[in-house]
Amino acid sequence: GAGVSQSPRYKVTKRGQDVALRCDPISGHVSLYWYRQALGQGPEFLTYFNYEAQQDKSGLPNDRFSAERPEGSISTLTIQRTEQRDSAMYRCASSPRQVRSEKLFFGSGTQLSVL
Amino acid sequence: ILNVEQSPQSLHVQEGDSTNFTCSFPSSNFYALHWYRWKTAKSPEALFVMTLNGDEKKKGRISATLNTKEGYSYLYIKGSQPEDSATYLCAALNTGGFKTIFGAGTRLFVKA
Repeated sequence: GAGVSQSPRYKVTKRGQDVALRCDPISGHVSLYWYRQALGQGPEFLTYFNYEAQQDKSGLPNDRFSAERPEGSISTLTIQRTEQRDSAMYRCASSPRQVRSEKLFFGSGTQLSVL
Repeated sequence: ILNVEQSPQSLHVQEGDSTNFTCSFPSSNFYALHWYRWKTAKSPEALFVMTLNGDEKKKGRISATLNTKEGYSYLYIKGSQPEDSATYLCAALNTGGFKTIFGAGTRLFVKA
């Protein structure tokens, strides 16, 4: 696609429910990142994929958070048993190569609100 | 632990003023430094990526420098315009992986 696409754009859920956030990176991009962004803050690293391999998940806050990218393209970030503190903007970013000097292309994000 | 700090937190300037802000990062195991511009209701947009000590990059009225030995980068905007109003984010990577760590950003307001 033309850019990184994320869905849904907004998600409101009740505490205790599971949510799945989707990221469709730019076609051909091999690296994919998930970030969480609180209001007024910079993006906080959650996890990183190279193709389908999850190479770094050190930023996932706890075991309620998981991510997958089974075919090396679309990725899903799942939050189980959501809590109010999970409310944030969740952003996905991709880059064309697994190179540290490659810039990231960000999606518009999913704004998650847990009531 | 890679900790990226930006200052100031916010900045108000008049149209036509030149301005600059700072990004600090640990100099050990440094690999790359990114600058992004993030306008309200949009996604962060990449401005520069720098890797070498002494690197200077320029894009129109915006330029950046990198000092990897002392662990800082400056972003300069010459002749600020209202459309430059945005949050400017820097992000650093070290040699240990691909985790890109962002600072909290400098929020720039340019008044016409």
